[in-house]
Amino acid sequence: AQKVTQAQTEISVVEKEDVTLDCVYETRDTTYYLFWYKQPPSGELVFLIRRNSFDEQNEISGRYSWNFQKSTSSFNFTITASQVVDSAVYFCALSAYGNNRLAFGKGNQVVVIP
Amino acid sequence: DTAVSQTPKYLVTQMGNDKSIKCEQNLGHDTMYWYKQDSKKFLKIMFSYNNKELIINETVPNRFSPKSPDKAHLNLHINSLELGDSAVYFCASSQDGTGGLNEQYFGPGTRLTVT
Repeated sequence: AQKVTQAQTEISVVEKEDVTLDCVYETRDTTYYLFWYKQPPSGELVFLIRRNSFDEQNEISGRYSWNFQKSTSSFNFTITASQVVDSAVYFCALSAYGNNRLAFGKGNQVVVIP
Repeated sequence: DTAVSQTPKYLVTQMGNDKSIKCEQNLGHDTMYWYKQDSKKFLKIMFSYNNKELIINETVPNRFSPKSPDKAHLNLHINSLELGDSAVYFCASSQDGTGGLNEQYFGPGTRLTVT
């Protein structure tokens, strides 16, 4: 079974500060996929990134960056120079190869204070 | 163009009623899903269909019945609504069938309130 833990429930930062969201996962599968989704106050779920288990390259997209470390089973997400529009709930999720059942973490509520 | 759409966006109804939520995707995806998000924002899969065939059926009361008339549509019918069914229901779709590889794209959600 897949399990995703996002320990920090609510994180408040002042605008322009960096914020890192931790995601720790558990799986017995050797091939798996990790995802991050954003849920802004308007409620929709927006796909941000997918990472395959065999690709440990970190990724940067604008102010967003992701750090994948298999050794610690973590897939952390950093927002650099946060903006008010980054205020949202961020979900980490996991699926195993051959199983499209997405297991979500409980989410990190990020509040960016202007 | 909306990729994954759901109707209605809000649904308020009384206990014991039967209601349906409709979902359509225009992405050409093969697989569609229903998720439930509870009041604490926890997201849990309910059902998944691949090319109109049910492939995931989580531990969901049988008052919930999904129906897929074609691969672009997945509707959710709920019988005898209970207070505990109040939640946000999300429809999603993805390109692959059972591989788990592809990201899922979500609809805007339907907020169901049972009074």
